[in-house]
Order: sequence, then C-alpha cells, then structure tokens
Amino acid sequence: ETGVTQSPTHLIKTRGQQVTLRCSSQSGHNTVSWYQQALGQGPQFIFQYYREEENGRGNFPPRFSGLQFPNYSSELNVNALELDDSALYLCASSLGYWTDTQYFGPGTRLTVL
Amino acid sequence: GIQVEQSPPDLILQEGANSTLRCNFSDSVNNLQWFHQNPWGQLINLFYIPSGTKQNGRLSATTVATERYSLLYISSSQTTDSGVYFCAVEGTDKLIFGTGTRLQVFP
Repeated sequence: ETGVTQSPTHLIKTRGQQVTLRCSSQSGHNTVSWYQQALGQGPQFIFQYYREEENGRGNFPPRFSGLQFPNYSSELNVNALELDDSALYLCASSLGYWTDTQYFGPGTRLTVL
Repeated sequence: GIQVEQSPPDLILQEGANSTLRCNFSDSVNNLQWFHQNPWGQLINLFYIPSGTKQNGRLSATTVATERYSLLYISSSQTTDSGVYFCAVEGTDKLIFGTGTRLQVFP
C-alpha cells in the first residue's frame, strides 16, 4: 500500500507568478484535502475534493483552486502569488469524508520572493 | 467557529519521562484526531478518538466529549517523540487544527 505523495518537495517562486502542486492519494482513498501551514502555526484547511467534486472550502481567496482526477490524485493551483503564500502545503487523503482518519503527505515547501 | 486550544505550548523532557498534553475545544464535535508532526514536517495520525480511550504502545489518548477536552499521554518518552503535537476537530465542513504543543525530548 503506497502512502500519500506530493511533488515537488520544495519550490521557489516570485510574487505574481502561478504555481501548481501535486498530490497522489493513498491507494483506495477517494477524498483529498489541502492545507496551508505557515511557520509556527497549525495547518489551515484550504479545500477538499471528494470523487472529483469540491466538497468544502476554507477561508482562502479564489486564486487558490484545485482539481481532482479520476484516479483521485489532485492538484492545487495558486495564481498571482503573494509573499504571505510562503508556507508548507500539505495534502491529506482519506477513505471517505473528512470525518475519517486523515493521512498526510510529506508536504511541499513554497517560498515566494 | 470552533476554537481549539492546546496546552502547554512548549514542553521539554528528559528521555524516560512521562507527559500529558491537553486539547480544549469550544463546542461539541463529532470527530477528534491527534497528530504528530516530526521535525521534517511530516504529519502522522496518532489517534482517531471522538470519545473514550485508546492506547497504542507508549501513547494513549482520552477524549471526554461532554466536557470538551482530550488528553494525549506519552509514557517513557524517547528522543524520536520530539516534534509538534496537534489535535484537530471537525468543524463545519472542515478539520480545524489546534495551536500545537512543541515537545523536545533530550537524552
């Protein structure tokens, strides 16, 4: 059974650019959630996808968008990057709804200069 | 929305010591999970415990849903226990993480 994987591991972008982060969910899981974790804080929920449909969204602007593919892998896209977008981006998969046990990937550390 | 607070914010232990971490939440919840984030950022699920008590090796957790708190016990701590411990509860359509407890275990 493969765990949750994310790519890339690290990324450096400049303000105003766009970025795409990728996540492969654990085998058999159909739900993927994305979180942003700023330095020294707990993860903040961005959104969740269940069977390719967005199924909940946190307090993030529309320039944060996502996709889930038929194989349940997912992408997080961020447009018009701002300095405050610098953070660790975590993806978690679960067997069903977010009420189920969440399994996290290793994260992508994004730095915006 | 639901507020989740953890205490203490920081904890320093010598190897072999025991510790108790606390998670308080401001409203009733259907779901509570404990996570350990290692120094490299990886979040590992420790317990899914909306109520009752569970044990896994040196770790155990108790949630008293009616009193809106959960406790994580670490016995005979090891240096590999170092990191940040988060509790997370189910809010409206999302998982809400607490403020975290940073644990450092020294040999």
